[in-house]
Amino acid sequence: QVQLVQSGAEVKKPGASVKVSCKASGYTFTSYGISWVRQTPGQGLEWMGWISAYNGNTNYAQKLQGRVTMTTDTSTSTAYMELKSLRSDDTALYYCARGRSGSGSYPFWGQGTLVTVSS
Amino acid sequence: DIQMTQSPSTLSASVGDRVTITCRASQSISSWLAWYQQTPGKAPKLLIYKASSLESGVPSRFSGSGSGTQFTLTISSLQPDDFATYYCQHYNSYPWTFGQGTKVEIK
Repeated sequence: QVQLVQSGAEVKKPGASVKVSCKASGYTFTSYGISWVRQTPGQGLEWMGWISAYNGNTNYAQKLQGRVTMTTDTSTSTAYMELKSLRSDDTALYYCARGRSGSGSYPFWGQGTLVTVSS
Repeated sequence: DIQMTQSPSTLSASVGDRVTITCRASQSISSWLAWYQQTPGKAPKLLIYKASSLESGVPSRFSGSGSGTQFTLTISSLQPDDFATYYCQHYNSYPWTFGQGTKVEIK
């Protein structure tokens, strides 16, 4: 069965960077893209971007352009999301998600990684 | 960017009630819309994709309709497990955005 397992919680200082991993199993990794979605405490869901695991093409949310980088390692079936120049409002639960074939809806989600930005 | 607006923000209902949540897109998204259910501490769960297709394993009391800019999620008979927050999400063009959520509370 499809599983997405994310790395553990992180605490970072303002201005630092964080890199969250998402290890996929149960399917051919290069056949699907991985998206990243975040959720601030008590708030809604924010789509951050998408990466093709086939060729590394990316599409990022405009508000995060220049601070976010998404990559994949096909040898380990792992996707990564790095966010730089962290601010307090980046404190959130970060999810990776995989879509269904040819669709942007997400039937598969990681368990979430809490990133706390605090001085 | 396409904005997704849900209404209401909060809904109070009883077990057995028929519940309808609306999602409006700021421009046409054809049928490229999904609905999710989220309970505290859990990742969102896909209920509906392509506006009206029921995800495998989701109870048939959930249904979706609409196209263009107006969409609805209907729960035909609310069950105890259905008290949660519901989100719509479009995937017509990047960036794919979510609605702000509708919390279904116990009346």
